[in-house]
Amino acid sequence: GQQVMQIPQYQHVQEGEDFTTYCNSSTTLSNIQWYKQRPGGHPVFLIQLVKSGEVKKQKRLTFQFGEAKKNSSLHITATQTTDVGTYFCAGPEKYIFGTGTRLKILA
Amino acid sequence: DSGVTQTPKHLITATGQRVTLRCSPRSGDLSVYWYQQSLDQGLQFLIQYYNGEERAKGNILERFSAQQFPDLHSELNLSSLELGDSALYFCASSVDLSSGANVLTFGAGSRLTVL
Repeated sequence: GQQVMQIPQYQHVQEGEDFTTYCNSSTTLSNIQWYKQRPGGHPVFLIQLVKSGEVKKQKRLTFQFGEAKKNSSLHITATQTTDVGTYFCAGPEKYIFGTGTRLKILA
Repeated sequence: DSGVTQTPKHLITATGQRVTLRCSPRSGDLSVYWYQQSLDQGLQFLIQYYNGEERAKGNILERFSAQQFPDLHSELNLSSLELGDSALYFCASSVDLSSGANVLTFGAGSRLTVL
């Protein structure tokens, strides 16, 4: 069955450093979504990517969908304390969420 | 407020007991998903309902069951509870099944503690 792996599992960065999380699927995805869960909170939808090679930006966040539509990445430029949380990717069938990457910021 | 309402927010019970978690989806959403999140773990998909019908099932234990009612609210029933069932249970809703529109809106979760 479809599997979605995320790396790294944890990432500690100094405030102001960049951060990247990667999502890899065992199968081709028709689309991919990213969610953010703040500590003690619930997952919140960030963005959906559909096209091969698509790149979308939200302020300091850059999302990319691979050419083969089997991988995706989320890059945060100049992290801030508000970026703390766990970032999940999810394939089109919401049965499978990525394992998540927990971002901690060292002030 | 995401529009998805989950009750209760917190629940403490003993092993062997049975509990029911309730979810009201966002207005207009027909699909409801249930997820389990153990401490510092990922989201484990349990089950999905669409307009009252079961659509997909994950690794949901036989001790667990769910249903979606005609008014579209859903209930997750957990029975013969074990210590390992302690977790955060999320409900999420979406508009419909088509992949392009299947953005999930999550509720705040129900935290279950089994003692």
